Amino acid sequence: NAGVTQTPKFQVLKTGQSMTLQCAQDMNHNSMYWYRQDPGMGLRLIYYSASEGTTDKGEVPNGYNVSRLNKREFSLRLESAAPSQTSVYFCASSGWDGYYGYTFGSGTRLTVV
Amino acid sequence: GENVEQHPSTLSVQEGDSAVIKCTYSDSASNYFPWYKQELGKRPQLIIDIRSNVGEKKDQRIAVTLNKTAKHFSLHITETQPEDSAVYFCAASTAWAGGTSYGKLTFGQGTILTVHP
Repeated sequence: NAGVTQTPKFQVLKTGQSMTLQCAQDMNHNSMYWYRQDPGMGLRLIYYSASEGTTDKGEVPNGYNVSRLNKREFSLRLESAAPSQTSVYFCASSGWDGYYGYTFGSGTRLTVV
Repeated sequence: GENVEQHPSTLSVQEGDSAVIKCTYSDSASNYFPWYKQELGKRPQLIIDIRSNVGEKKDQRIAVTLNKTAKHFSLHITETQPEDSAVYFCAASTAWAGGTSYGKLTFGQGTILTVHP
């Protein structure tokens, strides 16, 4: 049982390049999330998907798009990367596992130069 | 939307001392309050959580208290050990709502806890 799998783990982009961060969960969770983590600012929600077929903006959606491909997969796309998007990105999923906990992926460290 | 404030931002204690981290939230509809521990370079891991129908919950050396009236909740770690050193995040959501599993978490800014041997 892998939990939540994120790829890639590290990425360096040039300003203006695009990329997609992949996330997959095998816990049969309905809900999935993308957060970014910056020093001193905690984890801020970018986009979320309450259930398959739905997506909604979070606190900091500008510059990002998402796709809930199926129940397992939720991808995050940066269409034109900017230095302000340098961050650590975490995917998470949630569902009833006996508690309402989030399970996080291992994170993607993205640097935009 | 929900806003969660966490204090202090850094906390330094001696091994064996207690550590307390406090959070306040703004949305009175929030009913689920988890705490996460994040070691350097790792993902956040749930360490304890509390629902709004409970005032206190303990798990070995850690405990969480909730004051719904004042809209604040706290993490208490007793007999701290060097391996407790990490960043701790509080969070709040409306996840617990009659059996639904959905609830986006709003996180506090984090507390860097350092336990000196």
